Amino acid sequence: DTGVSQDPRHKITKRGQNVTFRCDPISEHNRLYWYRQTLGQGPEFLTYFQNEAQLEKSRLLSDRFSAERPKGSFSTLEIQRTEQGDSAMYLCASSIRTGGNTIYFGEGSWLTVV
Amino acid sequence: AQTVTQSQPEMSVQEAETVTLSCTYDTSESDYYLFWYKQPPSRQMILVIRQEAYKQQNATENRFSVNFQKAAKSFSLKISDSQLGDAAMYFCAYRSEGWGAGTKLIIKP
Repeated sequence: DTGVSQDPRHKITKRGQNVTFRCDPISEHNRLYWYRQTLGQGPEFLTYFQNEAQLEKSRLLSDRFSAERPKGSFSTLEIQRTEQGDSAMYLCASSIRTGGNTIYFGEGSWLTVV
Repeated sequence: AQTVTQSQPEMSVQEAETVTLSCTYDTSESDYYLFWYKQPPSRQMILVIRQEAYKQQNATENRFSVNFQKAAKSFSLKISDSQLGDAAMYFCAYRSEGWGAGTKLIIKP
């Protein structure tokens, strides 16, 4: 069984450009989460999906961020008009919707905005 | 999101010794889960141990155990017989959405 995979692993983009990250969760997991993590900090919750429904979205998530999970399988996180403050690692994670919700993380996608 | 506080930015311990990492959280709910995750340098986050709030018994996983004090909203992680491979950032988490800033654990050989 493969784990959570994320693509690309690293992305360098110019300020103002749009970027998209993809996440493929563990196949039987119906919950999918996106987090942002900066150096020396813990993960910051962005949003999560139950199947294809986006059930929660952080107030910290500006309108430039959008996430989709169209068929309840893979998910994409798009950042429009990137800013230098968007530079961070974007973590995807998945879990089975059971009590405890142990979350399994991908290796993350590093974004550098120059 | 619930507030999770890890007051120790960095801890160091001699190999084979015991170390305790602290975590406090804030919530008004009575039923929830707490987690400790480990993030080795340049590697992905993995679960170390979890605790169900309605269970009074502290969780244990081999050399890892927790001291869960529900009334005090405290959830510390004890690592016994520390090994070099335990060196990592350790994060305390409340459910999936509340995360501490992490404690960097250094193991001295």
